[in-house]
Amino acid sequence: DVKVTQSSRYLVKRTGEKVFLECVQDMDHENMFWYRQDPGLGLRLIYFSYDVKMKEKGDIPEGYSVSREKKERFSLILESASTNQTSMYLCASFSVGTHLGNTIYFGEGSWLTVV
Amino acid sequence: SQQGEEDPQALSIQEGENATMNCSYKTSINNLQWYRQNSGRGLVHLILIRSNEREKHSGRLRVTLDTSKKSSSLLITASRAADTASYFCATDPYGSSNTGKLIFGQGTTLQVKP
Repeated sequence: DVKVTQSSRYLVKRTGEKVFLECVQDMDHENMFWYRQDPGLGLRLIYFSYDVKMKEKGDIPEGYSVSREKKERFSLILESASTNQTSMYLCASFSVGTHLGNTIYFGEGSWLTVV
Repeated sequence: SQQGEEDPQALSIQEGENATMNCSYKTSINNLQWYRQNSGRGLVHLILIRSNEREKHSGRLRVTLDTSKKSSSLLITASRAADTASYFCATDPYGSSNTGKLIFGQGTTLQVKP
């Protein structure tokens, strides 16, 4: 089974802190994603990476950056956390070569609270 | 941008009843998928239906797709308390070049009472 692991399930950070959310997948998938999920707003794509060191902005990239130095690892960075970034963050991965169609695999989520 | 709209937003039924959730979308698609999310957890893929398919089954799940109406429905038969979760439709837009950049609906929250 594909495993997408998000290193932190629950974090509490102070306003202005730099926050790193780490995600690792074990299936050699090319593409990785970061979403945030808020009540009433569904899933919104923050950033997408299609290869090592390659990234593309999603729908809500403001206030976030990403890093993909290795194929299996995709990090989301909040340069200066703000209270409106309190949310559930979901990492996902996808194999371009899958025979199953475009199925993506999600991690368990990281609940971030900024105080 | 959110393309999928799901209806109803919330659904409460008794164990043993069937649950039907609907999804509408706006643009042409390669396929449509349904995901499930237990409270506070990640999403798990349930079923995928391609644009040239009209119906698909997987266990107690039945998915239909009407591309002329740009809509899909997910039917869960003989529901169980363990089916309590949020259900999301996600579309793979036509021409998306197989990136996996799906567009998710806002989900239907299903409660199955024992």
